[in-house]
Amino acid sequence: QSALTQPASVSGSPGQSITISCAGSSSDVGYYNLVSWYQQHPGRAPKLIISEVHKRPSGVSNRFSASKSGSTASLTISGLQAEDEADYFCCSYMGNSIVVFGGGTKLTVL
Amino acid sequence: QVQLQESGPGLVKPSQTLSLTCAVSGDSVTNNHCYWNWIRQPAGKGLEWIGRIYTTGSTSYNPSLKSRADISLDTSTNQFFLRLTSVTAADTAIYYCVREVLTGYFFTAWGQGTTVTVSS
Repeated sequence: QSALTQPASVSGSPGQSITISCAGSSSDVGYYNLVSWYQQHPGRAPKLIISEVHKRPSGVSNRFSASKSGSTASLTISGLQAEDEADYFCCSYMGNSIVVFGGGTKLTVL
Repeated sequence: QVQLQESGPGLVKPSQTLSLTCAVSGDSVTNNHCYWNWIRQPAGKGLEWIGRIYTTGSTSYNPSLKSRADISLDTSTNQFFLRLTSVTAADTAIYYCVREVLTGYFFTAWGQGTTVTVSS
């Protein structure tokens, strides 16, 4: 199966908002409300920050929000902070008990 | 709080079998509310889902691995395992064992990862 498509990199200044897109197809992102997002700092394991398109787990900052439109999911980080600099991955269910990840987006806080 | 810890050889020769163990603490592999997964990440690259196992022993795999992967579990030791046969350099990666919420298809707890290099 093909990976979901994410921009390789995005950047923003402290205090600004950025959005990372995750483009899939009508068979995965567009069909199921089962998109999740993960944050990964260098040398660390990924951490769940969004589940089921827009749900924020306990303990995750409300500066992180997410949505879906058609076959594209989006993660928005508002009030950018230096600690947000990390790689971000989206993931979607695509049926038949299979999930697929995006290629990842490197966020740089300028 | 659940903790997962991967272990296994850091170096495997091409064409041989990669074998990894995930020790689970703070939860049980018999928990019928979650799946137990393996996910890998080549250095500097994205994540690739390998497969999952449920407490019943039911498994699902990434079709791209062409049946090379086999995941099993041992309830007596609270561990689950990955075997990947006929490895090549393309299998060089950090391997994570991961807990997944049942029906949600999202991953709530990750091990720290173990690096496996395929090289002669």
